[in-house]
Amino acid sequence: AQTVTQSQPEMSVQEAETVTLSCTYDTSESDYYLFWYKQPPSRQMILVIRQEAYKQQNATENRFSVNFQKAAKSFSLKISDSQLGDAAMYFCAYRNQGAQKLVFGQGTRLTINP
Amino acid sequence: DSGVTQTPKHLITATGQRVTLRCSPRSGDLSVYWYQQSLDQGLQFLIHYYNGEERAKGNILERFSAQQFPDLHSELNLSSLELGDSALYFCASSVGGGYTDTQYFGPGTRLTVL
Repeated sequence: AQTVTQSQPEMSVQEAETVTLSCTYDTSESDYYLFWYKQPPSRQMILVIRQEAYKQQNATENRFSVNFQKAAKSFSLKISDSQLGDAAMYFCAYRNQGAQKLVFGQGTRLTINP
Repeated sequence: DSGVTQTPKHLITATGQRVTLRCSPRSGDLSVYWYQQSLDQGLQFLIHYYNGEERAKGNILERFSAQQFPDLHSELNLSSLELGDSALYFCASSVGGGYTDTQYFGPGTRLTVL
């Protein structure tokens, strides 16, 4: 079974600084997608960024970018120029071809210090 | 706003009771997914419907059932409720049912069983 591990339960960063959240996953599949979702205090799950496994180029969305290392099964999220509104739980998720569900990690709580 | 709506936002009930959670997917989306978020289990996939048909089941208890109606809205029925069923229940929707389709989450229904 596929598993997703986020080894950092909590992280904190100063406003305007850069922070990287870690995620590793275990799979024997070759085709899959990886996602980062953000869950602010409102509890809404918001898609931040997604990465297709067959694409070598790392995905970017404005201040958010990923470092996808397929061989190492690593998928980290970098947030540049951190803002107070970035404070949230961040979940890494995986979905492979043929699967209906997203498999989530346990989450990392990110605090932004003003 | 993801375009996915869920009602009610909050639900407080007693053990042994039955409740129904409702979800309306984004306009044009044919797939609906249900997830449960609890403190001890994290985010767990429950069930997936595509255009009215059940496509996959996850960690869904026999006391729980779901359906998707012709207008594509979905309902999750929870019966014989136990204290451990207290959780945040999310509905997500996607255009199709394939692994390339991004799932967009609703705001969730917070269920409290007393």
